[in-house]
Amino acid sequence: DIQMTQSPSTMSASVGDTVIITCRASQSVNRWLAWYQQKPGKGPDLLIYRASNLESGVPSRFSGGGSETEFTLTIRGLQPDDFATYYCQQYRTNPWTFGQGTKVETK
Amino acid sequence: QLQLEESGPRLVKPSETLSLTCSVSGGSISNKDHCWGWVRQPPGKGLEWIGSVCFTTSAFYNPSLKSRVIISVDTSKSQFSLKLTSLTASDTSIYYCTKEEQNPRGCFQRWGQGTLVTVSS
Repeated sequence: DIQMTQSPSTMSASVGDTVIITCRASQSVNRWLAWYQQKPGKGPDLLIYRASNLESGVPSRFSGGGSETEFTLTIRGLQPDDFATYYCQQYRTNPWTFGQGTKVETK
Repeated sequence: QLQLEESGPRLVKPSETLSLTCSVSGGSISNKDHCWGWVRQPPGKGLEWIGSVCFTTSAFYNPSLKSRVIISVDTSKSQFSLKLTSLTASDTSIYYCTKEEQNPRGCFQRWGQGTLVTVSS
């Protein structure tokens, strides 16, 4: 299975900050990489697909980058609604696998 | 907008079979471009893909669960279901139903709210 490793596991930030979350794959996933946001008690929401494509309806302050084994999710101008847990996920190879998550907390 | 809603038992005994249903509304379950599946999350932990089915291709299952899983679609009820056999305590999780495109597979565009299933005697 392809292992996905996110860093950091937890981060503290303030409204207005720029936040960068990193995701590393144990082998190349090309650009078959998605990012999700999850809030307590809810299912995840798709933010980014194919590494850098913004899902419809997702604010433009979210952006994704990278390829092969190194990826980033950037949130520019963090908003109160953005405090949540973020997951990366590869869909290059079955089984599709997720990172362990990055929780963005209020500083 | 397409919505998914899980239903089923909250408590199941070890060695028994879990049966969950996902109801689809706001869109057609018969759309040949879509696939329907399940992801689970042990309380406080990360996400694990279980499997998915599409109309025009074979089902994909996580190899770690393949021997115990069946996912099927009932177009007449606009529902799809998960059956997981030989349950143990490690199957205690929040179970989410999902929708993905057929090509490429594996990117989950819609999720249900999730239902917590506890395996305990």
